Amino acid sequence: DIQMTQSPSSVSASVGDRVTVTCRASQDISGWLAWYQQKPGKAPKLLIYGASSLQSGVPSRFSGSGSGTDFTLTISSLQPEDFATYYCQQANSFPWTFGQGTKVEVK
Amino acid sequence: QLQLQQSGPGLVKPSQTLSLTCAISGDSVSSSSATWNWIRQSPSRGLEWLGRTYYRSKWYHDFALSVKSRMTINSDTTKNQFSLQFNSVTPEDTAVYYCSVAMAAAGTGYFQQWGQGTLVTVSS
Repeated sequence: DIQMTQSPSSVSASVGDRVTVTCRASQDISGWLAWYQQKPGKAPKLLIYGASSLQSGVPSRFSGSGSGTDFTLTISSLQPEDFATYYCQQANSFPWTFGQGTKVEVK
Repeated sequence: QLQLQQSGPGLVKPSQTLSLTCAISGDSVSSSSATWNWIRQSPSRGLEWLGRTYYRSKWYHDFALSVKSRMTINSDTTKNQFSLQFNSVTPEDTAVYYCSVAMAAAGTGYFQQWGQGTLVTVSS
């Protein structure tokens, strides 16, 4: 199975900050990567797919980049509703696998 | 607007079968552009994709190897729903279970919509 490793595991930030989350795959997954946002008690929500394509309805302050094994999710200006846990997921080969999550917390 | 509504018991005894159903509105379970997935989440295992079903002139199924021997996914076109059956459960199968849909347009490995989740506890 492809292992997905996120860093950091948590980040403390303030509203307006630029936040970056990194995801590394254990092997080349080309651009087959998604990012999800999850709030407590809720299902994950798709933000980014294909490494950099914004899902419909997702604010443009979210962006994704990378290919191969190294990927980044960036929130350009953190908003109050963005405090949540973020997961990456590879869609290159079965079984689809997820990172362990990065929690964005209030500083 | 595609929506998924899950149903099923929240408590299952060890060695018994876990059964959950996901009712679909806004699309068809036999859609040629969707795949219907089950995913679970626990503190110890994180988010774990379990398996999927989809229709492309006939029904197909894919499963994670770790659960393949214990898992069945069925589709009911008359009720427009799909279901999960998980045999011989142990306390390690305690998790929140989600159904989810992936659309072919974006890539069938990306989960665009999710059910509300069902916490299933395996305990006697």
